[in-house]
Amino acid sequence: DAGITQSPRYKITETGRQVTLMCHQTWSHSYMFWYRQDLGHGLRLIYYSAAADITDKGEVPDGYVVSRSKTENFPLTLESATRSQTSVYFCASSDVRSGATEAFFGQGTRLTVV
Amino acid sequence: GQQVMQIPQYQHVQEGEDFTTYCNSSTTLSNIQWYKQRPGGHPVFLIQLVKSGEVKKQKRLTFQFGEAKKNSSLHITATQTTDVGTYFCAGLSNFGNEKLTFGTGTRLTIIP
Repeated sequence: DAGITQSPRYKITETGRQVTLMCHQTWSHSYMFWYRQDLGHGLRLIYYSAAADITDKGEVPDGYVVSRSKTENFPLTLESATRSQTSVYFCASSDVRSGATEAFFGQGTRLTVV
Repeated sequence: GQQVMQIPQYQHVQEGEDFTTYCNSSTTLSNIQWYKQRPGGHPVFLIQLVKSGEVKKQKRLTFQFGEAKKNSSLHITATQTTDVGTYFCAGLSNFGNEKLTFGTGTRLTIIP
């Protein structure tokens, strides 16, 4: 009963490095999302995906890249990390086919860019 | 783009007092959802409201969706220490495009 898992849980990286955050869900949910959480800003949508090979930008996509070659995986890549990308990142999924639209969140990845 | 604001940003209450957080969207919503995030945890779904003027209750929690479907509120009666956390509303503007826009959240702390 894995649900939705994120890895790593914690990551420290240097400015300019590329880093990839992983997200895996076992429910075959069609929609997947990446949010970042910063104090005072709530949860801001970075990218989302409606299905495999379909992705779209959210509110704050600059500096990030996503892919979804398989339904269950939705990795988020920071191409050249900056200090402003220090944040807690949450992956989420939802199953539109069931008629329910609530999002199920992973445990989060705390990323620090130094 | 769609914006969802919540007030207040922080709320400190004595245990046993009531608590209310308000959510306002810049656009009409097809539905609104509420989530709770415990300190150090991840957001967990509480409820979804779909109909104009809808009111739903979960024990001590009462959720309302405005008549114009642009605002919502969450009211907790007689708060307990287990209510500590950040409460988020999240709006869905169109069915068929499941892009949830989250509010800024209200962080609730309880004074025992």
